[in-house]
Amino acid sequence: DAKTTQPPSMDCAEGRAANLPCNHSTISGNEYVYWYRQIHSQGPQYIIHGLKNNETNEMASLIITEDRKSSTLILPHATLRDTAVYYCIVRVENSGYALNFGKGTSLLVTP
Amino acid sequence: GAVVSQHPSRVICKSGTSVKIECRSLDFQATTMFWYRQFPKQSLMLMATSNEGSKATYEQGVEKDKFLINHASLTLSTLTVTSAHPEDSSFYICSARQERQYFGPGTRLLVL
Repeated sequence: DAKTTQPPSMDCAEGRAANLPCNHSTISGNEYVYWYRQIHSQGPQYIIHGLKNNETNEMASLIITEDRKSSTLILPHATLRDTAVYYCIVRVENSGYALNFGKGTSLLVTP
Repeated sequence: GAVVSQHPSRVICKSGTSVKIECRSLDFQATTMFWYRQFPKQSLMLMATSNEGSKATYEQGVEKDKFLINHASLTLSTLTVTSAHPEDSSFYICSARQERQYFGPGTRLLVL
């Protein structure tokens, strides 16, 4: 899996958009960008993934740059319940191997 | 979506005893399950890969004789921490693989 780099922590005001960046400059052509989050004392939760086109679902949007070397996860209207550690993981889709979690970004949503 | 459960959610045991943690895929079959461990303020670390009907594959540094994994069916994998010690106190998380990995809620183990 390609290496990713994320800021260790970020703050966001409740109701505002949270934009979480991820650098993955060594990504291969067949590797997807996955985002998971872990709320304190819970198991990780899948958020979204994409290859090269921007993706949106009920939880978030994923913006991938044209060169695919970086991406941004957007939580459009952050709530206090979005406080969590967010992990950006790059890997081949449907890989049979375990997810490799880096240190992620600790997002704190403040009132 | 696919649901993975773990039991128990938390357990306290005495040093030297063994503890079994169950991981179940509730609405799908999983030939592969993964076990992770997470210490406070750290990320998840993969311990082992559990394949139904075969021996588990352990990550470097994880003692296979201490952390016994059994994946006897397509919906159940168990992790037994044998002769637990205080340093085994941690948050243990399993995941089951379908088209992607689905995670259980975790089991917090405290060894006194």
